[in-house]
Amino acid sequence: QKEVEQDPGPLSVPEGAIVSLNCTYSNSAFQYFMWYRQYSRKGPELLMYTYSSGNKEDGRFTAQVDKSSKYISLFIRDSQPSDSATYLCAMSGGYGNKLVFGAGTILRVKS
Amino acid sequence: GAVVSQHPSWVICKSGTSVKIECRSLDFQATTMFWYRQFPKQSLMLMATSNEGSKATYEQGVEKDKFLINHASLTLSTLTVTSAHPEDSSFYICSARSPETQYFGPGTRLLVL
Repeated sequence: QKEVEQDPGPLSVPEGAIVSLNCTYSNSAFQYFMWYRQYSRKGPELLMYTYSSGNKEDGRFTAQVDKSSKYISLFIRDSQPSDSATYLCAMSGGYGNKLVFGAGTILRVKS
Repeated sequence: GAVVSQHPSWVICKSGTSVKIECRSLDFQATTMFWYRQFPKQSLMLMATSNEGSKATYEQGVEKDKFLINHASLTLSTLTVTSAHPEDSSFYICSARSPETQYFGPGTRLLVL
């Protein structure tokens, strides 16, 4: 079993839809949780990071962490074609620790 | 967010030559940088952890004599692919550790002919 599970998709939605992306994990030591967006042939771009449990909102993006269920989510409101990319969840057990990545979910937003 | 640059963005070389890739953190000091490799349609694979002023720590299965890493300053780490072969062709991405998280560079695409 992988430490971090993420559905690779692809996930196809119409423009304006609310998108829900999820990851589950098995290591209860993880405390730092991140979401990255990666366009084709580009490096990952940090979207959100969260320490421990709770919600965090930034513009159209909301990240949720439920440590009791070992489950994290990223919600994208009012999705746009420019949101079409691969979304990677990542997590670590402590400051400076190496990141463990999910497989990435391919998102396609159709206009 | 923080800015991390990589140079070159794209390199083609002949088999047997060495290629150096630079990774710079432009607006913060990074005592730790990471080097990743990514194959098409796959997630990132950590190759090594680069610490300023000390030897890099390599992941299992990564040849340290083939992938030389130097972290000479708080803003610069380099990855040298020595005696490159076609199987080394890949997308190489660095990241720099900030107080909150890691920021990634734009990546370097290496093609070995």
